Amino acid sequence: QVQLQESGPGLVKPSQTLSLTCTVSDGSINSGSYSWSWIRQPAGKGLEWIGRIYTSGSNNYNPSLKSRVTMSVDTSNNQFSLKLSSVTATDTAVYYCARGAHYASGSYPPIYYYYMDVWGKGTTVTVSS
Amino acid sequence: DIQMTQSPSSLSASEGDRVTITCRASQSIGRNLNWYQQKPGKAPKLLMYGTSSLQGGVPSRFSGSGSGTDFTLTISSLQPEDFATYHCQQSDRFPWTFGQGTKVEIK
Repeated sequence: QVQLQESGPGLVKPSQTLSLTCTVSDGSINSGSYSWSWIRQPAGKGLEWIGRIYTSGSNNYNPSLKSRVTMSVDTSNNQFSLKLSSVTATDTAVYYCARGAHYASGSYPPIYYYYMDVWGKGTTVTVSS
Repeated sequence: DIQMTQSPSSLSASEGDRVTITCRASQSIGRNLNWYQQKPGKAPKLLMYGTSSLQGGVPSRFSGSGSGTDFTLTISSLQPEDFATYHCQQSDRFPWTFGQGTKVEIK
């Protein structure tokens, strides 16, 4: 079963750029038509989807963060990354990476259902001077 | 953005109880609704996708139903390991959005 592991600095200063990497193990980031997502969760709060990327480079970002987010894929190292610029204290959260899968219904035309089936354990990022 | 509203926000139940959690979308999302279980300090775990498809390894006491704007997650007989927070998530339109979570506590 594929596993994901987030890594990166646990402390980032305000106005700087948060950079995280998710390493995919026990499987290839290139196998199958999966997408690769980032999700965050401030302490005691709900989950917020940040965006997703395919190994082709195609991506979808949350409009609320789009101006500050960049995602990329490094297939040679089986990793994908998140950069969030101009951070403030409100960006303090646990950040998760996740694999996105989908399946097609049996109807015609098919309906595609998307879900995140494998998650990393999460990494805590604090924005503070 | 599509707003997802779960009810209740928390509930207390006993082992063996039947538990139902509701998730309502601010607009129709077809059946593009997923459920995740999260235990304290842990990552969310996929339980159900496409409203009613059980993820591999998830016990059959979990079931999901609904379509359009109203969805439910039912646990037929609550077990000790089910005490957790449950999140619904829509993947019909970007940005994907989650409900605020429902915490299932021991009575």
